[in-house]
Order: sequence, then structure tokens, then C-alpha cells
Amino acid sequence: ETGVTQSPTHLIKTRGQQVTLRCSSQSGHNTVSWYQQALGQGPQFIFQYYREEENGRGNFPPRFSGLQFPNYSSELNVNALELDDSALYLCASSPRGRGTEAFFGQGTRLTVV
Amino acid sequence: GQQLNQSPQSMFIQEGEDVSMNCTSSSIFNTWLWYKQDPGEGPVLLIALYKAGELTSNGRLTAQFGITRKDSFLNISASIPSDVGIYFCAGQLGNSGNTPLVFGKGTRLSVIA
Repeated sequence: ETGVTQSPTHLIKTRGQQVTLRCSSQSGHNTVSWYQQALGQGPQFIFQYYREEENGRGNFPPRFSGLQFPNYSSELNVNALELDDSALYLCASSPRGRGTEAFFGQGTRLTVV
Repeated sequence: GQQLNQSPQSMFIQEGEDVSMNCTSSSIFNTWLWYKQDPGEGPVLLIALYKAGELTSNGRLTAQFGITRKDSFLNISASIPSDVGIYFCAGQLGNSGNTPLVFGKGTRLSVIA
């Protein structure tokens, strides 16, 4: 098992820019979920991908978008960055239908200045 | 959106003491989960609870799924320095296993040797 890996680990962007975060899922896990964790808060669900399609979305605007690839890896894209987008972005992978067995990556710390 | 109320927000305890934290919700959850997050890492699953009234242990950790399905608690016995971290409760609303997780704001535990 290789675990869930995310890249980059840290990133600084300027307001208005665009960013892409990457996630490689755990071996055998075909479902990927993304969460945003603001400082001092619990993770908030952004969206989930299965079979390369979005399969559920939280209360986030359309400028948050994603992709899943045939090897189950995933990207999170955020356009027109705002200062409030500064957070730890977590990727979690799980087998289909077994979301409670999700493994989280170490996260990407995004700072928007 | 759904919210979980987690308490206390922080705790300072002596090594060897027992710890108790809890989580309540205005909504009924089908699954309750407890995670621990260390600095710079993603959350790691400690205990999963699937049935109202269920009491489950994992080493020195014990968690219960409240009978009303609107609450859960986590106990840590005989705390040690490596217990330091942030503990999150999370609930899952649906039955499909793909339903996203709703997290509390966390309990920050500090252990004084």
C-alpha cells in the first residue's frame, strides 16, 4: 500500500490566481473526496469523484472544480483565488461504498496573499 | 449545513489521567467516527461506530454511539504524551457509504508529563 499522497505540501498564491492541487489515491481505492480545513476548524466537504465524474458536492462555489483520472488520482482546481481560500486541503480516498474506510493524505497548505 | 458541536474545545491534562470528549448534533447520523490529527498531517481514523448504542474500544480508546443517534463520546484512559493532538468527531448521514463526512471543530488535547 502506498497511501494517499498529495502535492505540493505547501503553496503560496496571489489573490485572483488559479491553483491546481493533486492527489494520488491509495491502491485499490476508486473514490476520492476533497475537504477544506480552515485554521482551527474541522474539514469541510468540497466534492467527491467516482469513475471520473463528480458524485456529490458541498457548499462551495463553481470556481472550485475537480478531475479524476483513470488511475483514480484526482486534481482540485480553484479559480479566482480569494484570501478566504487559505486553508489546508485534504484528499481522502476510499473503496466505493465504504466511505468510513477513507484514508486521508497529509494535505496541501494553501496560503493566498 | 449540518454541524456537529464538539466539546470541550481544548483540554490540558496530566499524564496518566483519563480524558472524555463528546459530540452532539441536531441531526440523526447513521455512522459516527473519531479521528486524530497531528500537526502537518491528515486525520487518522481511530474508531468507527455503526449502530446506535454501540460501544467500541481500540486499545486505551473507547467510543460510544448515542442511542438517539445524535451524539457520541470518546474516552481515552491513562493518557500518555503521544496522545497530544486534535481529536475530531465526524458523522455520516446516509446509508450508501459514499455520503460525505460532517466534522466537528475538534478538541485540542495537551498532555503534561
